[in-house]
Amino acid sequence: DTGVSQNPRHKITKRGQNVTFRCDPISEHNRLYWYRQTLGQGPEFLTYFQNEAQLEKSRLLSDRFSAERPKGSFSTLEIQRTEQGDSAMYLCASSPGNAGNNEQFFGPGTRLTVL
Amino acid sequence: AQSVTQLGSHVSVSEGALVLLRCNYSSSVPPYLFWYVQYPNQGLQLLLKYTSAATLVKGINGFEAEFKKSETSFHLTKPSAHMSDAAEYFCAVSPSGSARQLTFGSGTQLTVLP
Repeated sequence: DTGVSQNPRHKITKRGQNVTFRCDPISEHNRLYWYRQTLGQGPEFLTYFQNEAQLEKSRLLSDRFSAERPKGSFSTLEIQRTEQGDSAMYLCASSPGNAGNNEQFFGPGTRLTVL
Repeated sequence: AQSVTQLGSHVSVSEGALVLLRCNYSSSVPPYLFWYVQYPNQGLQLLLKYTSAATLVKGINGFEAEFKKSETSFHLTKPSAHMSDAAEYFCAVSPSGSARQLTFGSGTQLTVLP
């Protein structure tokens, strides 16, 4: 399978703990996006990478959130000192680098539950 | 700034009936428009996209959508609903010609009745 993969698929943690999620994009896709989706809502943009460069961050991405894409391949999203409001599905997407093509391919998501 | 409004958070149709899911957008620049489908506990799958070519766009699973600039709409249709179409559908917009993030609507849950 050459689609976008995310690990873990589910994460349950206690409030105040740190969590890290991983996303492996489709190979040769140089754009990678993170979104957050809460129940009954559409995905909301968090951040975006072009290769290893983080080009844009949403205001939703508080200072407890950090994302990296160190070699321009996989990416990690870390949440420090988790809060119950962080409970959501975290989606990763990737897209090709050719100009004008913004078709994004989504992974299955990581569902975070903060107790 | 861009936004998407999906009218009707829940739509029910009978199997074999027409499916119509509504999407209106607001964009300060020419947009790209997308429809995605999400099955329970899964990621989003692209149904179709409009990227300033033909205004009537055909997608997978028999779905199509028409871009109407005068109405700022991009409604999704399917002539005959199938039980397997039951899912949540999201309309999304991004600025054309760029790699910017997608802005999604709040989704429409489609139920197909036997």
